[in-house]
Amino acid sequence: KNEVEQSPQNLTAQEGEFITINCSYSVGISALHWLQQHPGGGIVSLFMLSSGKKKHGRLIATINIQEKHSSLHITASHPRDSAVYICAAVPNTDKLIFGTGTRLQVFP
Amino acid sequence: SQTIHQWPATLVQPVGSPLSLECTVEGTSNPNLYWYRQAAGRGLQLLFYSVGIGQISSEVPQNLSASRPQDRQFILSSKKLLLSDSGFYLCAWSVNLALGTQYFGPGTRLTVL
Repeated sequence: KNEVEQSPQNLTAQEGEFITINCSYSVGISALHWLQQHPGGGIVSLFMLSSGKKKHGRLIATINIQEKHSSLHITASHPRDSAVYICAAVPNTDKLIFGTGTRLQVFP
Repeated sequence: SQTIHQWPATLVQPVGSPLSLECTVEGTSNPNLYWYRQAAGRGLQLLFYSVGIGQISSEVPQNLSASRPQDRQFILSSKKLLLSDSGFYLCAWSVNLALGTQYFGPGTRLTVL
């Protein structure tokens, strides 16, 4: 069993839908990152969370440390949101433990 | 502002040939540097990371090596490539992953034939 699990693995949506991607982890962490990998391969960091909630535009990330769970929400989804979304946990070392990723496709 | 450069963007190499991928960071000092590999259809795998010049930690035993000859330069090498070395190689840097972001380079797509 992976230390960081994501669900779902694949997700399709119609433009405008509200999207939720879940991430659960089994290790103690000091922070959790959400990353976006574009179809061409480039990776962009979306959020770094250690508690609570963060919002950037249409993206919202939350984390519940007690439940060892984080969610990434996309409001009013758009085809340009199509990408692979990766959560990554930071244990007590300066390395990331990656989830397996969620492939999102948003259709017009 | 900080930027990270990685080259080449794509590379096709025969089995048994050597490899050298270079990564440089601008706009920050003493970053932690990372090499990741992503095989086709798979997740990210940490290969090496470095917290300072000459300090390299290897995560996965393999025929690859890494060096950090300067503070903001990180090199990934191999003496003899294997077919299984094909993949997408990403360099990244951060200062403290518990406090801030990890920044990724554009990646090198390596095909070993």
